[in-house]
Amino acid sequence: GAVVSQHPSWVICKSGTSVKIECRSLDFQATTMFWYRQFPKQSLMLMATSNEGSKATYEQGVEKDKFLINHASLTLSTLTVTSAHPEDSSFYICSARETGSWNQPQHFGDGTRLSIL
Amino acid sequence: AQTVTQSQPEMSVQEAETVTLSCTYDTSESNYYLFWYKQPPSRQMILVIRQEAYKQQNATENRFSVNFQKAAKSFSLKISDSQLGDTAMYFCAFMNFGGSQGNLIFGKGTKLSVKP
Repeated sequence: GAVVSQHPSWVICKSGTSVKIECRSLDFQATTMFWYRQFPKQSLMLMATSNEGSKATYEQGVEKDKFLINHASLTLSTLTVTSAHPEDSSFYICSARETGSWNQPQHFGDGTRLSIL
Repeated sequence: AQTVTQSQPEMSVQEAETVTLSCTYDTSESNYYLFWYKQPPSRQMILVIRQEAYKQQNATENRFSVNFQKAAKSFSLKISDSQLGDTAMYFCAFMNFGGSQGNLIFGKGTKLSVKP
C-alpha cells in the first residue's frame, strides 16, 4: 500500500530555533500534500495545502512566514517552523494524495511531535 | 462551508459488544465522500471505512459498517464484536467530490474505550 514517511517523529529544541519536518511519499507521486496540526485531545486542523511546484495555500489564521512550506518534488514536502516558540509545540501530521487520484483517501504520515523549550 | 459534528466526546463499550458512533455534517454539495478514521494512542491515522455519497448502499469493512442517511446528513459508524484494539479516537471526515484540492474536514472526534 501507499506509504508516507514523516521525519522526524519527535523533536525537542530551544525557543528561537527553526525546525524542518519532512513528508515523503515513498511509493507514489503526490502532487498535493496536506499539513495538519493537532493539539492534545483535539481534532486535526488543516494548516495548509502544499502543491508541487507552486506556493502553498494556507488556511485562515495560519501565519505563512511562521510555517514555511516547500513542495519541490512530487515526493517531498517540507514544513519549517521558523523561530519556534513554546506555543508552537504540537503534533504535526502530513498527508499525501496520489497524483491523478483526487477522489481517493489521503495517506497519512505518522506525525511529528514538536516540543519547544 | 462544510462542517462535521461528532456529538459524543467519549464512549465506552464492553469487549465483544456493539457500539455506534454518531456523526452529522452540513454541506450544500450533492456529491462528496465521508470517512471514518481511527487514531490509536500511537497517533497514526488509520482509515477505517469510506462512503461515497452517490452510493445508496452502506459501506462495510469486516466488523465496521456505516449507516449513511444522506437526507438527514448523518453518517454513523457501527463497530460489532468490539475488541480491545479498537480503543482509539475516532474521527469522522468529509471531502468534496471533484474538489481540486481534496482536503479533509474533520469532526472533533470520539474517544472510544473498549473494556475487558
